[in-house]
Amino acid sequence: EPEVTQTPSHQVTQMGQEVILRCVPISNHLYFYWYRQILGQKVEFLVSFYNNEISEKSEIFDDQFSVERPDGSNFTLKIRSTKLEDSAMYFCASYERPNEQFFGPGTRLTVL
Amino acid sequence: SQQGEEDPQALSIQEGENATMNCSYKTSINNLQWYRQNSGRGLVHLILIRSNEREKHSGRLRVTLDTSKKSSSLLITASRAADTASYFCATTSRNQAGTALIFGKGTTLSVSS
Repeated sequence: EPEVTQTPSHQVTQMGQEVILRCVPISNHLYFYWYRQILGQKVEFLVSFYNNEISEKSEIFDDQFSVERPDGSNFTLKIRSTKLEDSAMYFCASYERPNEQFFGPGTRLTVL
Repeated sequence: SQQGEEDPQALSIQEGENATMNCSYKTSINNLQWYRQNSGRGLVHLILIRSNEREKHSGRLRVTLDTSKKSSSLLITASRAADTASYFCATTSRNQAGTALIFGKGTTLSVSS
């Protein structure tokens, strides 16, 4: 069964460093999302992406964040200068049919 | 505003018992979905119920939706140890143009054998 994959599974970085989280959505899906989950808290929407542009973003998704679909398969989330409070699980999701999003296993980001 | 708040926050039951989790929300919705998350893992889509539906079944899962009370419940029948996980409801709001999911804080279910 097709699935969303994410790499790396765990990323440790120093505060102020740039990180790129990678996702490979399901191949025939057209809508892509990033969510994050700070430990012990709810899953929060960051950004959605369709037709090679951001279609919606939350207040969390400030200038430190960017997304890109550099080729036909990858979907990346970049954090330019990480802060301690960026430590979280980051989930990528994609969907073909409206409102049934398939989530990847997540990348655990630890900012020291 | 908060959307999709589950209760209880934690639930412990024995194998074979039924588990009921509730979710409340504040705004008008297009649909409501339930997801499962095993510890430290990704989110698995369980079931979607549309705003014009009142009840839906999928295997051992039964979901109800009461739009007048802005609430939903997830019932897992004949629970198994493998059902141990966190369960989240998520909504897409009619008040927003996009399709971003808004999640609740979740119910942590522990099923002991």
